[in-house]
Amino acid sequence: GPKVLQIPSHQIIDMGQMVTLNCDPVSNHLYFYWYKQILGQQMEFLVNFYNGKVMEKSKLFKDQFSVERPDGSYFTLKIQPTALEDSAVYFCASSNRVGNQAPLFGEGTRLSVL
Amino acid sequence: GEQVEQRPPHLSVREGDSAVITCTYTDPNSYYFFWYKQEPGASLQLLMKVFSSTEINEGQGFTVLLNKKDKRLSLNLTAAHPGDSAAYFCAVSITGNTGKLIFGLGTTLQVQP
Repeated sequence: GPKVLQIPSHQIIDMGQMVTLNCDPVSNHLYFYWYKQILGQQMEFLVNFYNGKVMEKSKLFKDQFSVERPDGSYFTLKIQPTALEDSAVYFCASSNRVGNQAPLFGEGTRLSVL
Repeated sequence: GEQVEQRPPHLSVREGDSAVITCTYTDPNSYYFFWYKQEPGASLQLLMKVFSSTEINEGQGFTVLLNKKDKRLSLNLTAAHPGDSAAYFCAVSITGNTGKLIFGLGTTLQVQP
């Protein structure tokens, strides 16, 4: 079936560096999401994106975060600069409508900030 | 904003026993409800979606009950087996919103042979 692919699966970087997490959503999907999951804690919404724009973002989506999907390619989450508390698993999700369709999730990228 | 409380955080049962996980929510505008299963190191897999009042949906080996009057959503695994061992999350979406899901804290289920 269709899949959301996330690259890489694990990324280790030093605090203060920039990191870009890549997501390849399902090809006909229009809505894209990033969620953050700290080990042992709940999945928390970061941001959603539609038609080239951020629709909604949470308080976890700090000023150091940005998202884009240039020319229909990867949907990316950039963190610049990174902080220790950014260490988590970041899940990308996509759907072709909102409401009654459950977003399809990728397998996550584990980000370790040292 | 919406708050979703999920209980219990951890659940251990023997093979063949039932396992019940419950979520309560606060926003009366919540309309779409989902259960996801997450195995270690893997993504979230949709188990069931439900969006009606006091609806019962039956899947393969489990039942989902939604009671909108009580703002309560439950997942009942009727005869658990070791392959059901995973983390389970409920998620709630609000009518007319942007597709954002509010997740419960999750329940780690362990099914012992």
